[in-house]
Amino acid sequence: DIQMTQSPSYVSASVGDRVTITCRASEGISSSLAWYQQRPGKAPKLLISGASSLQTGVPSRFGGSGYETDFTLTISSLQPEDFATYYCQQGNRFPLTFGGGTKVEIK
Amino acid sequence: QVQLMESGGGLVKPGGSLRLSCAASGFIFSDYDMSWIRQAPEKGLEWISFITNSGNTIFYGDSVRGRFTISRDNSKNSLYLQMDGLRAEDTATYYCARGFDSGVVDYWGQGALVTVSS
Repeated sequence: DIQMTQSPSYVSASVGDRVTITCRASEGISSSLAWYQQRPGKAPKLLISGASSLQTGVPSRFGGSGYETDFTLTISSLQPEDFATYYCQQGNRFPLTFGGGTKVEIK
Repeated sequence: QVQLMESGGGLVKPGGSLRLSCAASGFIFSDYDMSWIRQAPEKGLEWISFITNSGNTIFYGDSVRGRFTISRDNSKNSLYLQMDGLRAEDTATYYCARGFDSGVVDYWGQGALVTVSS
């Protein structure tokens, strides 16, 4: 199975801060990487697919990059509604696997 | 708009069975692959099963293979998850989700809570 390792698992940040979350795959997955946002008590929401393609309606302060094994989600200027948990997921091969999540909390 | 609504969750004893349903609307259900994904309380996301739009290809995660069965009825715009031999570690919120691209899912239901306890 492809293991997805996210870091950090927790980040404390202020409104307006730039936040970077990384995700590492245990083997190359090309660009088959998605990022999801999950607010407390809600279902996850797809933010980015194909490592860098922003879903319709997702604010442009979110950005994704990377290829094969190393990926990054960047929030350029954190907004109050961005405080949530973020997950990466590889779609390259079954079983599909998620990273452990990164909780972004208010400093 | 795309809507996915799970039902059938509840409390079940270890070793018991439960069948989850997911009613889809707002899109052509038969055009899309579907997945079940679960989340144990205060834990991360775990993909558990996938079915192609035609139902011809199915995959399972190791933790549920041999105990859970995914199926769909395109005439009823519905996805199902038959769960047998339930264990305490199957306690989770179960989400159905629409396939988007290469294993990625784009829309999720609100989730159905399954609690396995004596």
